[in-house]
Amino acid sequence: GNSVTQMEGPVTLSEEAFLTINCTYTATGYPSLFWYVQYPGEGLQLLLKATKADDKGSNKGFEATYRKETTSFHLEKGSVQVSDSAVYFCALKGLSTGANSKLTFGKGITLSVRP
Amino acid sequence: DVKVTQSSRYLVKRTGEKVFLECVQDMDHENMFWYRQDPGLGLRLIYFSYDVKMKEKGDIPEGYSVSREKKERFSLILESASTNQTSMYLCATELAVYTEAFFGQGTRLTVV
Repeated sequence: GNSVTQMEGPVTLSEEAFLTINCTYTATGYPSLFWYVQYPGEGLQLLLKATKADDKGSNKGFEATYRKETTSFHLEKGSVQVSDSAVYFCALKGLSTGANSKLTFGKGITLSVRP
Repeated sequence: DVKVTQSSRYLVKRTGEKVFLECVQDMDHENMFWYRQDPGLGLRLIYFSYDVKMKEKGDIPEGYSVSREKKERFSLILESASTNQTSMYLCATELAVYTEAFFGQGTRLTVV
């Protein structure tokens, strides 16, 4: 079956530091890959996505590149802000119907950014 | 913008009670999902539905049931609440299999 592995957290950074959150996956075929973010007290919202190999998703200064050769989708941001403090989830979805088409999530990682 | 509304932000229920969690979406999406979120476990899929009156079990359906009588509404039912069902419950919708999911704000359920 499909699975997503995220690096262990939590992560604490100072404002303007560089951020990398690792994500690797196991899936059959060519899944779509997503990063979702959950701000305190809220539901999840899509941060960025990539639907095929070598695609780069980007939003709000965050980027992630779909690397099929390493089955990875690492999230990066060059300069984090206090407002980026949240829980980040990596997820994948297969392209076929049925069970493979459901979102599979990693366990999430909490990011805290200090002023 | 897609709006996914869950009926309660916080809920406290007693052990053995029947609990209903409601989710309503306003964008005519076909697919709807219920997840629970627990620290260290991420999101786990309870049930999902690809059409009205249709439902399929997710990864952890035990102790839950669902109802989808109308396209815009997907209800999660805890038949007899237990303390191990204390959790954050998240509803999600998507237009189709190939599109992204949109989430509600979550219901934090405490069973005492």
